[in-house]
Amino acid sequence: DQQVKQNSPSLSVQEGRISILNCDYTNSMFDYFLWYKKYPAEGPTFLISISSIKDKNEDGRFTVFLNKSAKHLSLHIVPSQPGDSAVYFCAASSPYGGATNKLIFGTGTLLAVQP
Amino acid sequence: SQTIHQWPATLVQPVGSPLSLECTVEGTSNPNLYWYRQAAGRGLQLLFYSVGIGQISSEVPQNLSASRPQDRQFILSSKKLLLSDSGFYLCAWNSGRVSGEQYFGPGTRLTVT
Repeated sequence: DQQVKQNSPSLSVQEGRISILNCDYTNSMFDYFLWYKKYPAEGPTFLISISSIKDKNEDGRFTVFLNKSAKHLSLHIVPSQPGDSAVYFCAASSPYGGATNKLIFGTGTLLAVQP
Repeated sequence: SQTIHQWPATLVQPVGSPLSLECTVEGTSNPNLYWYRQAAGRGLQLLFYSVGIGQISSEVPQNLSASRPQDRQFILSSKKLLLSDSGFYLCAWNSGRVSGEQYFGPGTRLTVT
């Protein structure tokens, strides 16, 4: 059972425009959500996170929105740059994991920013 | 600052051969450590995690094992590799706080032939 879903395997956006990456989850116990960026043959890099007590978190060009009632989060990148081209993973964790802090990852969305 | 190392970066091994991948973390103590695998075109699958020396939990039944002989060292092993073990292996750590970011190493590309 896929608890964290990224239904769009790929997305293409023009440079300077907004990129919107979406993520859905099924477990209402998740209380912390993260976005990672991954280039080929490299480890994922942490981008931004949001706690379930918030509905928005912003860091420069990156903003994450959380809609708990819909069990949906999204990552907005404005303006998009060619260097943003990568695979983006969303992830979620639950406080019931205790000290293990396990993350459940989605399958990723490949973002291509066209110059 | 904290850094995480993995080696080797790439590895080509025949079916039935043993495997040992190593991960070390610098600049922190008593981290949680994790092994993930990314198969071709797939997401990140958690294989093992450890909250302390000698403490290993397995997430999925498989041909692999893990060990944590020292606080900041995490090893992924196999006695006999299968073709299906091919993939990109990632080690990660976090500080152990409930609900926190994990930080990933550069990964090891394993090809079993």
